[in-house]
Amino acid sequence: EADIYQTPRYLVIGTGKKITLECSQTMGHDKMYWYQQDPGMELHLIHYSYGVNSTEKGDLSSESTVSRIRTEHFPLTLESARPSHTSQYLCASSGLGYRASYNEQFFGPGTRLTVL
Amino acid sequence: GQNIDQPTEMTATEGAIVQINCTYQTSGFNGLFWYQQHAGEAPTFLSYNVLDGLEEKGRFSSFLSRSKGYSYLLLKELQMKDSASYLCAVRDWGYGGSQGNLIFGKGTKLSVKP
Repeated sequence: EADIYQTPRYLVIGTGKKITLECSQTMGHDKMYWYQQDPGMELHLIHYSYGVNSTEKGDLSSESTVSRIRTEHFPLTLESARPSHTSQYLCASSGLGYRASYNEQFFGPGTRLTVL
Repeated sequence: GQNIDQPTEMTATEGAIVQINCTYQTSGFNGLFWYQQHAGEAPTFLSYNVLDGLEEKGRFSSFLSRSKGYSYLLLKELQMKDSASYLCAVRDWGYGGSQGNLIFGKGTKLSVKP
């Protein structure tokens, strides 16, 4: 079934560790996004990509980096995790075609990251 | 600047009708989206408006007035499962690399009581 996936769903890690949050979509969408959301707060766009080898920083400054080597894959990396990085990270994709009537964004289930 | 306003919280009774308002001031406009987000879950798409008027989809309707920078989401026959946050988002159509990105409001937390 075409969908958008994120792993891991939950991650508890110590300060200074390098982590990669995975995001994959099988809907053939060209655009992909990473959002950060603290509990009860709004979504903040931290990275986006309009296609392979295209990545841009979003509205909220983030120490994370992203890559887009394949259309379906958009991983986010933190080189050295800190407690201030504790948050929920949501991946989304959009594009005309499958399941998209209005070019709306489809969200993955999210990764809840806790840095001790 | 970019600004989207919606009430922080609302409470309504099961079976009733509730209207969640959203006002926006953005540099570009290429459509307005409403998303539903249950606590701890990802947002799910509810509705889309790009032209003025009302769009109806089952128990949910969404209205847009571009001249007033205003939208509302109307929920009818409320059910307990409708307790969630409702996010208003405007799609930017600005310059540079921001075409097509969504600008989200802070969300309205709706509590449906028996």
